[in-house]
Amino acid sequence: NAGVMQNPRHLVRRRGQEARLRCSPMKGHSHVYWYRQLPEEGLKFMVYLQKENIIDESGMPKERFSAEFPKEGPSILRIQQVVRGDSAAYFCASSPPGPRYNEQFFGPGTRLTVL
Amino acid sequence: AQRVTQPEKLLSVFKGAPVELKCNYSYSGSPELFWYVQYSRQRLQLLLRHISRESIKGFTADLNKGETSFHLKKPFAQEEDSAMYYCALSPTGTYKYIFGTGTRLKVLA
Repeated sequence: NAGVMQNPRHLVRRRGQEARLRCSPMKGHSHVYWYRQLPEEGLKFMVYLQKENIIDESGMPKERFSAEFPKEGPSILRIQQVVRGDSAAYFCASSPPGPRYNEQFFGPGTRLTVL
Repeated sequence: AQRVTQPEKLLSVFKGAPVELKCNYSYSGSPELFWYVQYSRQRLQLLLRHISRESIKGFTADLNKGETSFHLKKPFAQEEDSAMYYCALSPTGTYKYIFGTGTRLKVLA
């Protein structure tokens, strides 16, 4: 099991461009979470998804940010019209179904830099 | 408000000395609490969770509901324990984690 995969690991965008961050959960995991870490801060929850469903998006900014976890393929976190304040590390995590549902396994993160 | 506080950004100890990384939480219900560790150039990984009451790599953590704390302890620090440590809370009935800001542990030779 390769673990949670995220790509790209580093992404540079200019202000106004779009950023797409991808996350492939661990095999057998049906829950995906996205977190954002700003410099000198802890990880902040953004969104929790299951296949084809957004379960909790209480941490997502209301504008420009969206997330999906399609039936096939990775989960995507999309940031439209990026601004400098979006520069951060974005972490994806996944967890299995069943009794260990809230034991989250993290990916290596994508570091987004907005110029 | 639900919050996790790790008051120390950096903790330096000598090899062989005891270690205590502090974690306090604010939550009205019965939370699930976790410690995650991030070694240099590696991903965040689960160290231990309070409901399992296990000891991993010599670390233990006891949930103190009266003091709303979940401090991480190890009696004798080793150089390979140097890493970033995050305390996290999962509110009952939810799947999300609320993380503290982390404590960098440096174990000196």
